[in-house]
Order: sequence, then structure tokens, then C-alpha cells
Amino acid sequence: SQQGEEDPQALSIQEGENATMNCSYKTSINNLQWYRQNSGRGLVHLILIRSNEREKHSGRLRVTLDTSKKSSSLLITASRAADTASYFCATARNSGNTPLVFGKGTRLSVIA
Amino acid sequence: DAGITQSPRHKVTETGTPVTLRCHQTENHRYMYWYRQDPGHGLRLIHYSYGVKDTDKGEVSDGYSVSRSKTEDFLLTLESATSSQTSVYFCAISATGAYEQYFGPGTRLTVT
Repeated sequence: SQQGEEDPQALSIQEGENATMNCSYKTSINNLQWYRQNSGRGLVHLILIRSNEREKHSGRLRVTLDTSKKSSSLLITASRAADTASYFCATARNSGNTPLVFGKGTRLSVIA
Repeated sequence: DAGITQSPRHKVTETGTPVTLRCHQTENHRYMYWYRQDPGHGLRLIHYSYGVKDTDKGEVSDGYSVSRSKTEDFLLTLESATSSQTSVYFCAISATGAYEQYFGPGTRLTVT
């Protein structure tokens, strides 16, 4: 069953604008991760935030985590056409063998 | 793609035939995963392995079997392919189960 659910399902913005995607999950987690998938390719890991962290940055990416609301957001600042892709959140329930659970993704289109 | 290859990359097969997909890694990672990706369903885990000869079922394991006799190879077998198994199959690897996964390029399988 899907642990993470992204919102919105699809997002279309102009180049230069910021893009925000949200992920909600149901159970306690060890960490939450965001991945990007370009059309026809495998997923690429973007960023990981641990359950005891509230915010993390990587280049133009900013991730927040609110464990009380069981939600996370991914902000991409100053979007570029090359950011057009699907973005997935994935949750890890613990630090052991239990696999990640991926959401269904948000499809981002950045229009030049 | 982080030293992961999948073969074949494309395959068309007939209903009722057995099919084996291969995932090969050169990273010596302990964990390996097989996912399928279908429109509207996101990424769903089929089987995973946490060591040589150690495997477990995922969310959608019916009709699939796996084997891992060496660290570097993880095979996915469709025992008797059905049209519902038409999908894109991704292999992923991870050094530690709860952290970053690295994905292969995918195999597009069509069952006619």
C-alpha cells in the first residue's frame, strides 16, 4: 500500500517560478526521501531528510518535514525547463530491512 | 546509472511464456529491488533482496519469482506472462536498506 501520497498530481509553472510539491504519509518514519524521474528514465535520488530534522537544503531544493502532521514539502526555486520531470517521495519506516514505500508522484512541467 | 544495468531493455513476449529479467550491479550493494511502474499506480515493489539468497515479497509479488545467487545479480522471473504484467520494470540497489536507492534504466515489457 502507498505510504506517501504526493499533492498535486500535476503542476505546470513558468520558468523562473518556484514549484512546491507536498507529500503526506501515514505511519511513523525513520526518514523521507525525494526522487526525480525524467521521462523514460530511472528514478534519481535528490535529498533525504531524517525524522529528527525539520528542514534541509541542497542547491535549489528545499525540503521540510513536519512529523506531527506527517507531511513533507519539496520546494524547487527558480525553476528551469530542465526541472520538468515527475517527483516522488519515499518513506522509510525504520533503519532496517523494511523497503522504502514510494508515492505516486507529482508531474512537474516547467514552461520556458 | 550508478553501475546498474538491466537486460533486456525491451521485450515483447506472448501470454503464457516465461520471461526472465536481469539486474546486474557493480557497486557491491547489499540490497536489490524489483519494481514495476504503471500509469496511475506509481512505483510498486515486487520483490527485494537483502543479501545473497535472502529475498522477500513486496506489494505485488503474485506471478513473479526472484533469485539472487551472487551479490551482483538479481533475476526476476515471470513464470507465465500475462497481459497484466505489461509494464516498465525497474531494478534498484541500496547499500543500506533505509537510505538512498539507485535505479537502473528500466526494462519495457510487453505481453501480447
